[in-house]
Parts: sequence; C-alpha cells; structure tokens
Amino acid sequence: GENVEQHPSTLSVQEGDSAVIKCTYSDSASNYFPWYKQELGKRPQLIIDIRSNVGEKKDQRIAVTLNKTAKHFSLHITETQPEDSAVYFCAASNSGGGADGLTFGKGTHLIIQP
Amino acid sequence: SQTIHQWPATLVQPVGSPLSLECTVEGTSNPNLYWYRQAAGRGLQLLFYSVGIGQISSEVPQNLSASRPQDRQFILSSKKLLLSDSGFYLCAWSGGWGQPQHFGDGTRLSIL
Repeated sequence: GENVEQHPSTLSVQEGDSAVIKCTYSDSASNYFPWYKQELGKRPQLIIDIRSNVGEKKDQRIAVTLNKTAKHFSLHITETQPEDSAVYFCAASNSGGGADGLTFGKGTHLIIQP
Repeated sequence: SQTIHQWPATLVQPVGSPLSLECTVEGTSNPNLYWYRQAAGRGLQLLFYSVGIGQISSEVPQNLSASRPQDRQFILSSKKLLLSDSGFYLCAWSGGWGQPQHFGDGTRLSIL
C-alpha cells in the first residue's frame, strides 16, 4: 500500500518568513495530493491540492509543488502570519487503483513566532 | 452547499461496552464516505470507506465495523470497545473517486 513520509515534524519560523513542508510517497500510481490544516481540537480543513498532471499550484500565500519522478511534493507558505500556526498534513491517494481514501503523513506542527 | 454532521462530539465509554457513531451528509447524493481515526498527536488513519449503500471496504482489521444503511448515512460500530480504541474519529465525504475529501467535526472517544 501507499506510505507517506512528512518532514519536519515541527517547524518554527518568524512571522513574515516562509515555511516549507515536504512529503514523499511510495506508490507511483498515486495521482492526487491534498494538504490539510488542523487547528487544535478541530477538523482537518483542505487548504490546497494538486493532481499528478500539474507540477505546481498557487493560491494566494500558499503553493504546492509536485515532483512525480522523485515522488515528493511540498507545501510552501509565504509571508507567514500568526493564524498559520496549526498542524499541517499531506496526503496521497490513487483514485484509479480500486481503492479510495487518503494515506496521510504524520503531520507538521507549524509554529509562527511573533 | 454540502454539510456533514457527526455525533456525538464527545463520548466516554467503559471497556467492553458497545459503540455507535453516526455521520450524515446533506446537500449531495451518492457521496463517497469515509471513517478515519486520529490518535493523540498523530496522523489520520483510514478505517473504512464506502462508495454506495451497503458497500463497505475495510482498510484496517480491528474490532470496529461500519455500515451504510442510507445513501448519506455512515455508521461506525463496535460490539466491545478496547482501550486502544480511544481517539478522535472523523467522518469525511467526497464527490467521487479522487475528489477532495471534507471532514466532519469529529467525535472524541475516551475508553476507561
């Protein structure tokens, strides 16, 4: 089955700086890669996703890049703000593989220092 | 717009007791439905998913089961809870294969 590794487990950055979270996946058939943000005690919320036919996607201050050859994808947050503090999860799925459902990384606790 | 409801929000149960968690989706038809579990400080683990009424796929063997008696209703059950069943249980829905998944508010389950 799919295995998703996420690094780092904790990331502390100064407000205004950029943050980068990286994930690798094992199943070359995976073709959908969402990122979720989870605040303490709350539901995970989808913040951005990318499909395997696209190399990069941006939405205001957040962007995701995908390298299919190397089987890794990254989340980039620019001009970080205090409200960006949360746990971020990457995930991967193979929508055509006869199974549905996401395999998640273990999460990155992003701390924005004022 | 679509909404997803989970209840209860919090549940404290003794070891060996049964369990029933319910999830319903509004504003869409024939959604894919999912149950995930999140242990404290950990990632999310897919437990079950369903692509239609009565169709359940299990990802992890355990003492939990799932059922989908109606198109937009997904139930997670256990006959006898174990201490290791404690966690944050999240229901999610999507519009189909490879579509974004959207989570409910979750049920925090504590086993004593």
